[in-house]
Amino acid sequence: GQNIDQPTEMTATEGAIVQINCTYQTSGFNGLFWYQQHAGEAPTFLSYNVLDGLEEKGRFSSFLSRSKGYSYLLLKELQMKDSASYLCAVDPQASGGSYIPTFGRGTSLIVHP
Amino acid sequence: DTGVSQNPRHKITKRGQNVTFRCDPISEHNRLYWYRQTLGQGPEFLTYFQNEAQLEKSRLLSDRFSAERPKGSFSTLEIQRTEQGDSAMYLCASSLARGTGQNGYTFGSGTRLTVV
Repeated sequence: GQNIDQPTEMTATEGAIVQINCTYQTSGFNGLFWYQQHAGEAPTFLSYNVLDGLEEKGRFSSFLSRSKGYSYLLLKELQMKDSASYLCAVDPQASGGSYIPTFGRGTSLIVHP
Repeated sequence: DTGVSQNPRHKITKRGQNVTFRCDPISEHNRLYWYRQTLGQGPEFLTYFQNEAQLEKSRLLSDRFSAERPKGSFSTLEIQRTEQGDSAMYLCASSLARGTGQNGYTFGSGTRLTVV
């Protein structure tokens, strides 16, 4: 089975940096997704990590440690529009396993002036 | 391609009625997923298709839930004899079978169901 844990809510100030953590325990693992979801809208793809380490994409970076079952999403130079829910999702093993990505509950990020 | 399209966007129904939602995936995507999402929770997997084959349906919430993808293109999700607990956002996502991770899963805007 899959168990994914991330904080329920975080708050931060405009212009600051915030790190959203995700830990997972899974029976199969191929990679890890981060999605952003604004209220009432569909989740949108942010990043996908397969290998250990940090991947940077503009203001957003994502880190993965496979041995520790740990990932984080780092948001720099926060803007008000970054207020959203951030979903961590495990991409299961592709070979011989299921193809069903499993999502965490999401972290609601509130950015204030 | 306009992405993943879901209809209707909103549905209000009386308890006990049947409802059907439609999802049109990205045309070249052969995998299609249905998820349910309630307030403050992440998407909860229901079922998925590869082309027209339904490869996993054991996690549909009850036998009142069923899904089809008859020609491997659009899909429908039906809920029979709706209950108030079925009120939620129903999300559809599609992906390629190969290289899914690099491209992610593309979600539709969802159908918000309210059972009164």
